[in-house]
Amino acid sequence: NAGVTQTPKFQVLKTGQSMTLQCAQDMNHEYMSWYRQDPGMGLRLIHYSVGAGITDQGEVPNGYNVSRSTTEDFPLRLLSAAPSQTSVYFCASSLGLAGGTTDTQYFGPGTRLTVL
Amino acid sequence: DAKTTQPTSMDCAEGRAANLPCNHSTISGNEYVYWYRQIHSQGPQYIIHGLKNNETNEMASLIITEDRKSSTLILPHTTLRDTAVYYCIVRGYNNNDMRFGAGTRLTVKP
Repeated sequence: NAGVTQTPKFQVLKTGQSMTLQCAQDMNHEYMSWYRQDPGMGLRLIHYSVGAGITDQGEVPNGYNVSRSTTEDFPLRLLSAAPSQTSVYFCASSLGLAGGTTDTQYFGPGTRLTVL
Repeated sequence: DAKTTQPTSMDCAEGRAANLPCNHSTISGNEYVYWYRQIHSQGPQYIIHGLKNNETNEMASLIITEDRKSSTLILPHTTLRDTAVYYCIVRGYNNNDMRFGAGTRLTVKP
């Protein structure tokens, strides 16, 4: 298994540009999520999905859109990038929800995004 | 806001045990304590979690106080590769939101 993969690894955007960060997992996990991590801080939840066709907002959803058309993929879209979105973005997946051994979250390697 | 309080940083000598404390005084009955770590700039890695009882796996032990208001992560024999930021997270059953605080930066020294 490749686990959780993210592309691209690095990206530089200009203010106002749009882009999609890709996330895929091959573990047949139902739950997927996106986090951002700013320098010196912990991760903050942007959006999450409990299964194909179902998404919901996390702690910091503004400026980001998501969709979940398949179990494997969970792309994150920035419609109009702003310098405040400069961060490292991590995608994660787990088999199930909290409370059991199935909810261990597996994280991807991250995408480092700079918005000028 | 994160529901946990951890020291900002700790040092440990290589080969010795590292005991990382975490306060979660507002934890409620159905909330679990999770520990993750983040090595350099990689994605966080799951270590262990527990509800009430102490837990042990191949990576670490988790000691939860009887009142559940605090816990300690024990890394029994540290190596230089254990240098990382360690996050203590409180998470409810079926709660999708994992709130990462700033964590404890553990430095294992030779």
